[in-house]
Amino acid sequence: GENVEQHPSTLSVQEGDSAVIKCTYSDSASNYFPWYKQELGKRPQLIIDIRSNVGEKKDQRIAVTLNKTAKHFSLHITETQPEDSAVYFCAIIAGGTSYGKLTFGQGTILTVHP
Amino acid sequence: DAGVIQSPRHEVTEMGQEVTLRCKPISGHDYLFWYRQTMMRGLELLIYFNNNVPIDDSGMPEDRFSAKMPNASFSTLKIQPSEPRDSAVYFCASSPPQGQGREQYFGPGTRLTVT
Repeated sequence: GENVEQHPSTLSVQEGDSAVIKCTYSDSASNYFPWYKQELGKRPQLIIDIRSNVGEKKDQRIAVTLNKTAKHFSLHITETQPEDSAVYFCAIIAGGTSYGKLTFGQGTILTVHP
Repeated sequence: DAGVIQSPRHEVTEMGQEVTLRCKPISGHDYLFWYRQTMMRGLELLIYFNNNVPIDDSGMPEDRFSAKMPNASFSTLKIQPSEPRDSAVYFCASSPPQGQGREQYFGPGTRLTVT
């Protein structure tokens, strides 16, 4: 079945620094790679996603890169702010008939110190 | 739109009791997902539906768990009998039909405590 490993489990940075979270997966048929942000006590919310035919996607301070050959993808947050502090989850959807089935990584607790 | 609606928001029950969690997806969405979140196991997909039909229930822990979707605007997740290890936050999520976006919109969750 699908498997996704996420690192690091915790990440602490100073405000203004960059943060990078990486996920590796095993299913070469995976074709959709979203990232969700979950603030304390809140619901997960999609912040950015990328499809398998694209290598990089940016949205203001957030970017995601995908290396299909190596089967890993990463979330990059630049100019971090305290409000970026949250748990970040990567996820994958396998190809084929599993259109809706997200498998989540274990999560990364990001803390941005003012 | 009100977003995905879940009830109750909090549930405290004793071991052995039946628990029913409820979800109303976003209107027009035809995918509905039930997740469980714990510190130990993270965010796990339990079951998902498409057009009210269960597509994949491989994540349902055991026969004590069951889920139904009698119509496009309502779904339930039932645990009978409940056990302390079922304590978790249960999220319902919905997403649009194929070709209209793959984002899953999560509800606020139900925090279940089984004593």
